[in-house]
Amino acid sequence: GESVGLHLPTLSVQEGDNSIINCAYSNSASDYFIWYKQESGKGPQFIIDIRSNMDKRQGQRVTVLLNKTVKHLSLQIAATQPGDSAVYFCAALGDKFYFGSGTKLNVKP
Amino acid sequence: DTEVTQTPKHLVMGMTNKKSLKCEQHMGHRAMYWYKQKAKKPPELMFVYSYEKLSINESVPSRFSPECPNSSLLNLHLHALQPEDSALYLCASSQRVAQNTEAFFGQGTRLTVV
Repeated sequence: GESVGLHLPTLSVQEGDNSIINCAYSNSASDYFIWYKQESGKGPQFIIDIRSNMDKRQGQRVTVLLNKTVKHLSLQIAATQPGDSAVYFCAALGDKFYFGSGTKLNVKP
Repeated sequence: DTEVTQTPKHLVMGMTNKKSLKCEQHMGHRAMYWYKQKAKKPPELMFVYSYEKLSINESVPSRFSPECPNSSLLNLHLHALQPEDSALYLCASSQRVAQNTEAFFGQGTRLTVV
């Protein structure tokens, strides 16, 4: 089956710094990936997606990088803010969405 | 409207009760999903509906019974649950199953089984 995992379970950063959250996946057939943000007591919220024919995609303050060779993707958050504190999940689409184990981002003021 | 609406937000039920969780979307999505999420864990897929038909059941116990009455609604009927079934139940929808488009999630129903 699909395995999507994260390297760091908890990440603490200073407000204003950049954050990098990593994710590894095992199914080379996955061709679509999403990063979700989940705040306490809420459902996952879409942040950014990337298709396998791309290696980089930028949004507002966020960038997703995809390295298909090593089956790795990352989420970069620029100028991290207290409102970015949440758990971040990567998800890979095979025949269904598989979620990674999540990284908790703590932003220190 | 990019919302997936789930009701109720919170539910406490006894092990002999029968209750239902409801999910609604009006985005014209033809794929709808139920996920179960325990604390500090990622969502785990339970069921997938495609065009109102059950397409994936991830070996979920029969005490959970999904229903898709129409393309906008998804229900999860609960009966004879166990305390370990307490979790956040998330509904999601996407345009089509296995299509490269995002899945939109509801805010979830926090279920406590006593």
